[in-house]
Amino acid sequence: TQLLEQSPQFLSIQEGENLTVYCNSSSVFSSLQWYRQEPGEGPVLLVTVVTGGEVKKLKRLTFQFGDARKDSSLHITAAQPGDTGLYLCAGDGETSGSRLTFGEGTQLTVNP
Amino acid sequence: NAGVMQNPRHLVRRRGQEARLRCSPMKGHSHVYWYRQLPEEGLKFMVYLQKENIIDESGMPKERFSAEFPKEGPSILRIQQVVRGDSAAYFCASSPSRAENIQYFGAGTRLSVL
Repeated sequence: TQLLEQSPQFLSIQEGENLTVYCNSSSVFSSLQWYRQEPGEGPVLLVTVVTGGEVKKLKRLTFQFGDARKDSSLHITAAQPGDTGLYLCAGDGETSGSRLTFGEGTQLTVNP
Repeated sequence: NAGVMQNPRHLVRRRGQEARLRCSPMKGHSHVYWYRQLPEEGLKFMVYLQKENIIDESGMPKERFSAEFPKEGPSILRIQQVVRGDSAAYFCASSPSRAENIQYFGAGTRLSVL
């Protein structure tokens, strides 16, 4: 069974601070996707990383895929209250077919 | 383009009743996935379907749950004889192909079993 562990589970910071969320596994993934979910809504895709060592930037968000394709990180620079939400990583396993394995999520709160 | 559409958004059922959840994938997508999110838990895969075919149902409970994706119309997740433990948010996702496995999610159906 492939597992994805996200840390931290909860994060409460002040506006303007930087933060990093981690997503780790002992399994190799073909690709890894990051989503953000608001209460009462479905996950919204932020980015997909495919190549080991890949770095993608989306405005103030920087996503990195580990060289071995087993881990990933999300770094937010100068967080804003609008960044508040549940951040989920999801892996497309090499041996799990097309289904996604989700981490438990990181609940981020950015206080004004 | 319309995104993944799920209905109803909220569904209340009494124990023993049937629940039917519908999902229309994004235009041009022929691959549909169902996931369940229990309170205070992450999303768990249930089933993966293509038109008229179940590809992977390894995450589906063995009893009371079934899914279909007919040639015409939406994908349906059916839960027979619901129990309180079935209360959860059920999400549908679609992707354009198996090779391009980027999954886009609907807003979900929140099932409450009384």
